[in-house]
Amino acid sequence: NAGVTQTPKFQVLKTGQSMTLQCAQDMNHNSMYWYRQDPGMGLRLIYYSASEGTTDKGEVPNGYNVSRLNKREFSLRLESAAPSQTSVYFCASSDRLSPLHFGNGTRLTVT
Amino acid sequence: QKEVEQDPGPLSVPEGAIVSLNCTYSNSAFQYFMWYRQYSRKGPELLMYTYSSGNKEDGRFTAQVDKSSKYISLFIRDSQPSDSATYLCAMSADSNYQLIWGAGTKLIIKP
Repeated sequence: NAGVTQTPKFQVLKTGQSMTLQCAQDMNHNSMYWYRQDPGMGLRLIYYSASEGTTDKGEVPNGYNVSRLNKREFSLRLESAAPSQTSVYFCASSDRLSPLHFGNGTRLTVT
Repeated sequence: QKEVEQDPGPLSVPEGAIVSLNCTYSNSAFQYFMWYRQYSRKGPELLMYTYSSGNKEDGRFTAQVDKSSKYISLFIRDSQPSDSATYLCAMSADSNYQLIWGAGTKLIIKP
């Protein structure tokens, strides 16, 4: 029972490079989320997808794009990475009001 | 002022002690309250989930919500070294898309 799987676990990028963070869930949840976690800031919502085929901006969407590929998969893309995007990125899934289930994160460093 | 305030700690207590973790909030519309536990280099995992006011108990853990004071607490009885982690509070008025997170309190249980 994998739950929420994120790849890669670690990544180092140079400023201006692009990359896609992958997320897949096997709990048949309708909603999926991308968060970033920075020291002292708590979790901040980047984008979410309430259901397959829909995506919406969260609190900090600038510099990111997302794709809800199907019900299982939700990817996060950085088109031109900046040092301010150095963070730990978490994907989560849930049904409407049920608690969120998180993956174990992608640790991204942008130099 | 942040919508949710949580002391970052670290809070260090001896094994077997009762631990009290707290969050205060400003939005009186919040009615869903959660506590998540996050071990180092892992994603947050749900510990307690409470709707509206009152207490909820699960084994050694008790969650309390005082909406009149805009204050929530998590108590851990007979604390164990395995309880050492960061504890995050989260709350929402009506949906997971509007979940607001505390910054987390780092708890250290000394053997």
